[in-house]
Amino acid sequence: DAKTTQPNSMESNEEEPVHLPCNHSTISGTDYIHWYRQLPSQGPEYVIHGLTSNVNNRMASLAIAEDRKSSTLILHRATLRDAAVYYCILSDPNSGYALNFGKGTSLLVTP
Amino acid sequence: NAGVTQTPKFRVLKTGQSMTLLCAQDMNHEYMYWYRQDPGMGLRLIHYSVGEGTTAKGEVPDGYNVSRLKKQNFLLGLESAAPSQTSVYFCASSYDDRDLRVQYFGPGTRLTVT
Repeated sequence: DAKTTQPNSMESNEEEPVHLPCNHSTISGTDYIHWYRQLPSQGPEYVIHGLTSNVNNRMASLAIAEDRKSSTLILHRATLRDAAVYYCILSDPNSGYALNFGKGTSLLVTP
Repeated sequence: NAGVTQTPKFRVLKTGQSMTLLCAQDMNHEYMYWYRQDPGMGLRLIHYSVGEGTTAKGEVPDGYNVSRLKKQNFLLGLESAAPSQTSVYFCASSYDDRDLRVQYFGPGTRLTVT
């Protein structure tokens, strides 16, 4: 299975942009890059996903490197409610496209 | 539209007891999944289903059984609970579509086995 590597934790000030990096050097050509987040005591929540091109939605932006070996989740203006664990995931086509969760990046947002 | 619901929210079992966790979704999703999450860890796949009447093993299937008799429901059973099964269990569902394969998660079931 293709794996991802993320920093254990990051810290940001409120209302500033946050760039969460992810390495996935063994990604295959058909793997989508997914980002989910998990707020305390809640189930994971979808944030964004992409294949090759950069993607934007109301929650965030996803910047994908040209060689697809890394990506960056961008939160344009962090709020206190964005404090969560962020998971960068490559789904596994051999397990019904189940999500391979690692430990993710714990984002702390300070006022 | 309730999304993905899980029953019960909390449960305490004694070693050797059995129970069934129910997951229901009202989005007409083909795929459904059961994950477990231990403290400080990411989620791990227990079993999954790609359609009504089909199930398959995930990463950590031992000690669990599943059934998908109806498209909207996915049941997870523990026949003889062990303390190692103390965890938070999450159910998820998704469309079977390359571009829409987003998983929607339930709120979780917190299980303690003593």
